[in-house]
Amino acid sequence: KAGVTQTPRYLIKTRGQQVTLSCSPISGHRSVSWYQQTPGQGLQFLFEYFSETQRNKGNFPGRFSGRQFSNSRSEMNVSTLELGDSALYLCASSWTGPRGYTFGSGTRLTVV
Amino acid sequence: AQTVTQSQPEMSVQEAETVTLSCTYDTSESNYYLFWYKQPPSRQMILVIRQEAYKQQNATENRFSVNFQKAAKSFSLKISDSQLGDTAMYFCALTASIDQGGSEKLVFGKGTKLTVNP
Repeated sequence: KAGVTQTPRYLIKTRGQQVTLSCSPISGHRSVSWYQQTPGQGLQFLFEYFSETQRNKGNFPGRFSGRQFSNSRSEMNVSTLELGDSALYLCASSWTGPRGYTFGSGTRLTVV
Repeated sequence: AQTVTQSQPEMSVQEAETVTLSCTYDTSESNYYLFWYKQPPSRQMILVIRQEAYKQQNATENRFSVNFQKAAKSFSLKISDSQLGDTAMYFCALTASIDQGGSEKLVFGKGTKLTVNP
């Protein structure tokens, strides 16, 4: 079966711009979470969506937002990009939550 | 707050030998899960092994096994018969409750970079 698909793989944006990243979970999975990975901070939880509702949010500013569609596909948006937003953004999905996550290959965002 | 500590930033091992990666954690919860994930250069986080805290028996998946010491809050990963394809970053992770409603997130350690040499 198809895994978790994240698009695009790479993205270069300018400070102040906004960006939208996409995640297509494994078919049937209702829980989708996003994590930010940086060399300095490591892996940090951004938010989780379950059946189109944001169930949890990590400690990130309001510039980071997301949504989940009826087919469980999820998008995350970052507005007013800062240099520090450069990171690998990983999406994970499962039937219920983090106890059974499958991760995608991530989107590498570079802000210049 | 739940924390995960990996004290070995880098390790190396010869092909076919055995290596052990260390992980300690802290949590006040009684019902939690522990994981080891592998992240090769392809960037995808791949689940290596999972341990449920209420199970005393150590989890095993082929060449990968864990030594789960609940009282010591230790969760080490042993890789037997190391292969070149095992070269990757390895992350230890713990499920952590976010609120009283049972919602959870994963808390990760900083990772151990493992290199398997031919």
